[in-house]
Amino acid sequence: QVQLQESGPGLVKPSQTLSLTCTVSGGSISSGDYYWSWIRQPPGKGLEWIGYIYYSGSTYYNPSLKSRVTISVDTSKNQFSLKLSSVTAADTAVYYCARDREGAAFDPWGQGTLVTVSS
Amino acid sequence: QSALTQPASVSGSPGQSITISCTGTSSDVGGYNYVSWYQQHPGKAPKLMIYDVSKRPSGVSDRFSGSKSGNTASLTISGLQTEDEAGYYCCSYAGSSPVVFGGGTKLTVL
Repeated sequence: QVQLQESGPGLVKPSQTLSLTCTVSGGSISSGDYYWSWIRQPPGKGLEWIGYIYYSGSTYYNPSLKSRVTISVDTSKNQFSLKLSSVTAADTAVYYCARDREGAAFDPWGQGTLVTVSS
Repeated sequence: QSALTQPASVSGSPGQSITISCTGTSSDVGGYNYVSWYQQHPGKAPKLMIYDVSKRPSGVSDRFSGSKSGNTASLTISGLQTEDEAGYYCCSYAGSSPVVFGGGTKLTVL
């Protein structure tokens, strides 16, 4: 079955850019049946959708983060990536990647990776 | 894009049924049949329990059911079990601002 795995630095300095990659295994990101999402969860708080990408490169972002977010896809590596610029402590969170089977139905999810913003 | 409204906590005894509400607007919950529910145990990734308002993914117990009336969606868990104790989040497609989550509800099984 399809599995997702996040990777990237666990510590980012304020004002820098957070960069994460999600590697998809057990299925092709180019299948065309799904969108590929990033979702985050600050410690002790709720879930926040960041954005998603289609294999063709079409993207949709959370309006509250749109000015700082870029999501890209590399179909040759079966990966998609997140860049979040100008980070502050408020961006400290567990970042998840997930597959959207359409209509905001996220399944499966990666295990999540904690990113801390601190100097 | 405001978060959907969920109760902060609900509780029930083993064997009982509970319902968690999720209130949005006509731009999200009320406008589309695209409401999903997620179960999250501490330290774990969320798990899809309900999608398209009332559909269950393969492998999810039929004790979990979903419904919607107007701008409010609901998740009902029947025959509560201790392993159901977890956080639950609703989520809705919202058109031009595609996805919005609820604030989450902590279920305690007494």
